[in-house]
Parts: sequence; C-alpha cells; structure tokens
Amino acid sequence: AQSVTQPDIHITVSEGASLELRCNYSYGATPYLFWYVQSPGQGLQLLLKYFSGDTLVQGIKGFEAEFKRSQSSFNLRKPSVHWSDAAEYFCAVVSSSGYSTLTFGKGTMLLVSP
Amino acid sequence: DGGITQSPKYLFRKEGQNVTLSCEQNLNHDAMYWYRQDPGQGLRLIYYSQIVNDFQKGDIAEGYSVSREKKESFPLTVTSAQKNPTAFYLCATQRGQDDYGYTFGSGTRLTVV
Repeated sequence: AQSVTQPDIHITVSEGASLELRCNYSYGATPYLFWYVQSPGQGLQLLLKYFSGDTLVQGIKGFEAEFKRSQSSFNLRKPSVHWSDAAEYFCAVVSSSGYSTLTFGKGTMLLVSP
Repeated sequence: DGGITQSPKYLFRKEGQNVTLSCEQNLNHDAMYWYRQDPGQGLRLIYYSQIVNDFQKGDIAEGYSVSREKKESFPLTVTSAQKNPTAFYLCATQRGQDDYGYTFGSGTRLTVV
C-alpha cells in the first residue's frame, strides 16, 4: 500500500529565510504527488502537483517541489518565507489513474518567526 | 461562485446521538470524499463516492454512514457506534478521472460531549 512520510512535525523559519519541507513516499510505480496547505480551521488548498515530465514543479505562492525518484522524495521549497506562509502543509500521493483516493502524510506545521 | 459548502461549521452533540454533516457542491464534480482530521494524524479517508447511488468505504468507515442520492450532495452521518467522533471533518470533490487535484470544503468541527 502507498504511504507518505513527513518527518518533521514542526518547523520554525525566520521570515525571509529559505524553506524546505520534506516528504518521502512509498509506492512501487511512478506516483502522482501533491502538496496542500491548510490554514487553521480551514480546508486544504492545492499548492502544486507532479504527474510526469520535468521533475521540478512550480506552484502557487512562490512554492516549488522537486521529485527525486532515487530518494523517493518530493520536497517542497520556497526561497524566501513570508509570515503569511505560516500554516500546516500536507504531502499526498495517489496511486494510479482514474478515480483514486489521496493518501496524506501527517503534516508539517510551519511557524514563521519575525 | 462554484464551490463546496459544508455545514454547519461547528457542531456540538451529546454522546450517543447520531449527527449528520452536510456537504453540497455546485462544481458538477463527479467524485466526492469524506476525510477525518485529528491533530498530528493527517487526513484519513472515511468514505468516497464516484457516481450517484454508489459509494465505497475508506480506511476508517466504522461508525459512519453516507448516501449519494444526488450528484451535488454527499452527507455523512456519524453514528453512536463511532467511539471517538470529536474531530474536524473535511469534504472534497474530484472533477473527473483525469483531474487529480481535489477541491476541499472549509470543514465541520464536531465536538461530542
């Protein structure tokens, strides 16, 4: 069965510093990968997704992620963090085409310090 | 505007009572999903439906029930059999088989006292 691991429960970054959130997946074939963001008490918003092709994916709000098959990773990055980026971030994977259910990691809470 | 409406936003119930959470969408999306979110646990799939009058159990279906009588609606009932129902519940839709990005509602926080 597919699974997603987000090793960091919390991360604190200074405003203006760079950010990298880690995500590792477990799945035999090529997965479809996603990053979502959630503000407190709200639903999830899709930041970016990877299906195939270029392994560096650009998303909204200045985020990008890089798919590395050899490391089974899909880490999320941002060059300069803003205070408004403070939220919880979820990595997710879907196993196949068609209707498939998303499997989520447990999330990483990003705190931004002044 | 198109979107997903979950109501109510906050819900309080006494232990032993059934409660139904509403999820309505006007996106004309085919598939609908219910997830449960607990602190530090991520999102866990309860039930999902790909077409009207059909639905499948997810990973944690015990103590929950759903119906899909209309394309727009996918209500979730939390029954008294659910041992620990206090949680944040999220409804999501998927447009079609070639679209993998879910659209999420804003959630319902259920507290059982």
